Amino acid sequence: ETGVTQTPRHLVMGMTNKKSLKCEQHLGHNAMYWYKQSAKKPLELMFVYNFKEQTENNSVPSRFSPECPNSSHLFLHLHTLQPEDSALYLCASSQGPDITDTQYFGPGTRLTVL
Amino acid sequence: GQNIDQPTEMTATEGAIVQINCTYQTSGFNGLFWYQQHAGEAPTFLSYNVLDGLEEKGRFSSFLSRSKGYSYLLLKELQMKDSASYLCAVSDSNYQLIWGAGTKLIIKP
Repeated sequence: ETGVTQTPRHLVMGMTNKKSLKCEQHLGHNAMYWYKQSAKKPLELMFVYNFKEQTENNSVPSRFSPECPNSSHLFLHLHTLQPEDSALYLCASSQGPDITDTQYFGPGTRLTVL
Repeated sequence: GQNIDQPTEMTATEGAIVQINCTYQTSGFNGLFWYQQHAGEAPTFLSYNVLDGLEEKGRFSSFLSRSKGYSYLLLKELQMKDSASYLCAVSDSNYQLIWGAGTKLIIKP
């Protein structure tokens, strides 16, 4: 238990569906991250939020839409996804925006797009 | 471009020692992380090196050579629970983490 929770743990959706992934951290951290993890590939940083403000968007397609209502919660809204978007989506948090701060990860959401 | 290289898979025997290497080419360097990830679980922090040398933490040690762009994670007295993927990540000049694809470590009795 790392103090970062994610729901759902597993999600299967069609290409026309709309769904949302939720992340919550109980560590009092100020920075939160979304990563995509595909088999045998490096972690891909998608979005970074610091004090609820988005500070990083790594050329992520607009079918992924993040939302950070407060420092403890982070959402990833999904719509009209493609099969190649199937992956493990990991949320992480850290004390501050300094990347040398240790990141604490949630267990991930395993997403399958049919 | 920026690149992190680590072996895809390694196999070792319970009770033995294994060394997982990581080489990197990045624009700048602000430290190197090692994370452990068991199948289906979250990556968890193992170590952070920013200065050259060896950092020991129980059965795990991490070494860094900045001049060679090289690090290794050393696991001693291997246990079955050490079967996992080990991820190497480097913080570049923009303080962005560049990740390796991970090394899957298989421990055999």
